[in-house]
Parts: sequence; structure tokens; C-alpha cells
Amino acid sequence: DIQMTQSPSTLSASVGDRVTITCRASQSISDWLAWYQQEPGKAPKLLIYKASSLESGVPSRFSGSRSGTEFTLTISSLQPDDFATYYCQQYNDYPRTFGQGTKVEIK
Amino acid sequence: QVQVVQSGSELKKPGASVKVSCKTSGYTFTDYAMNWVRQAPGQGLEWMGWINTNTGNPTYAQGFTGRFVFSLDTSVSTAYVQISSLKAEDTAVYYCARQSARGVLDYWGQGTLVTVSS
Repeated sequence: DIQMTQSPSTLSASVGDRVTITCRASQSISDWLAWYQQEPGKAPKLLIYKASSLESGVPSRFSGSRSGTEFTLTISSLQPDDFATYYCQQYNDYPRTFGQGTKVEIK
Repeated sequence: QVQVVQSGSELKKPGASVKVSCKTSGYTFTDYAMNWVRQAPGQGLEWMGWINTNTGNPTYAQGFTGRFVFSLDTSVSTAYVQISSLKAEDTAVYYCARQSARGVLDYWGQGTLVTVSS
């Protein structure tokens, strides 16, 4: 199985901060990486697919990038709605696997 | 518009069974696969597997074989997961999620909390 390792597990930040979350795959997954946002008590929401493509309706302050097997989700200017948990997921192979999540907290 | 609506919370005793439904609308049900994802209390997301809504063929992740069964009723555009011989560790929120043509999970149900307790 492909392991997805996210870091950090928790991140404390303020409104307006630039935030970066990293996800590393245990083997090559090409660009087949998605990012999801999950607010407390809600279902996950798709933000980014194919490593860097923004899902329709998602604010442009979210962006994704890839360098080899390392993937990054960046929030350019953190907004109050962005305090949530973020998960990466590879869809290159079965079984699909998620990272363990990164909780973005208010500093 | 696409909608994915799951059945309500369930409280079950150990050893019982539960069947969670996932009713869809706003698109052709058989054009998109359906995935199932589990989230234990305070934990992350765990992919359970998927079902081909065209053929009905299910694929299960390791750890979800034997007691878990994915099924469909295409006449009402609904997917199901049935869990038998429930254990306390099955307590979790279960999500269904549509798999887009791009392969990602683009529409999710609201989740169904299954609590297993004596």
C-alpha cells in the first residue's frame, strides 16, 4: 500500500498568515493527489485534485504543488473559515490512502 | 444539482447488523462509482473501498472484508453498506462519496454515525 505522510499534525496560525501543509508519498503517484478540507462535524470537501488543480468554487487562496513525491497545500492568506483539518489522498493506486490529517488552529 | 444524502444515526448492540444508505440525485447514478470512508471518533479518514455502480462489483480495502458488504439499488439511485457482527470498534462516522471521472471524491454524503454499545 502507498503510505501518505502529512506534516505537521497541528498548525497554529493567525488570520492573514500564509500556511503550508506537506504530504509525502511512499512511492511515485505521479500527480494523482487530492486535498480535502474537513470542518468539525462536517463531511470532507474537495479542494484540489491532480496535485494542483483547483476544484470549482474553491477560493483562489488555496493552491497545490508537487515536487517528486512531496506535495504541498498552501493557503496564501488564512481566513476564519479555513480553520479546519486538511487531508491529502492518493488516487494513483488501490487501496486509496489518506494522510493522517493536519489540524489548522487559531493562534 | 448533485445531492448525496445518507440515512440517520444508528445505535446498535454488539453482534447486531446495520445497513447505511446513501441516496443520490442530480446525476446519472450508474455513471460514477461510489466510495465508502470511515472516520472513528477523533481520528482521520480511512478508505473502506468502492463499488462499481454500473456492474455492482465491489472492492474492499484490507480490514473491510468479510463483515462489510457494499450493495446498490439502481432503481432508486442508492448505495448501501451493511456491517454485520458489529463490534465496539466499528463505532464511527461512515461516509459515502461519489468518485468523479477524474478519480477524486467530489461529492460526499453528510455522514452516518454508527454507535455500537451494549
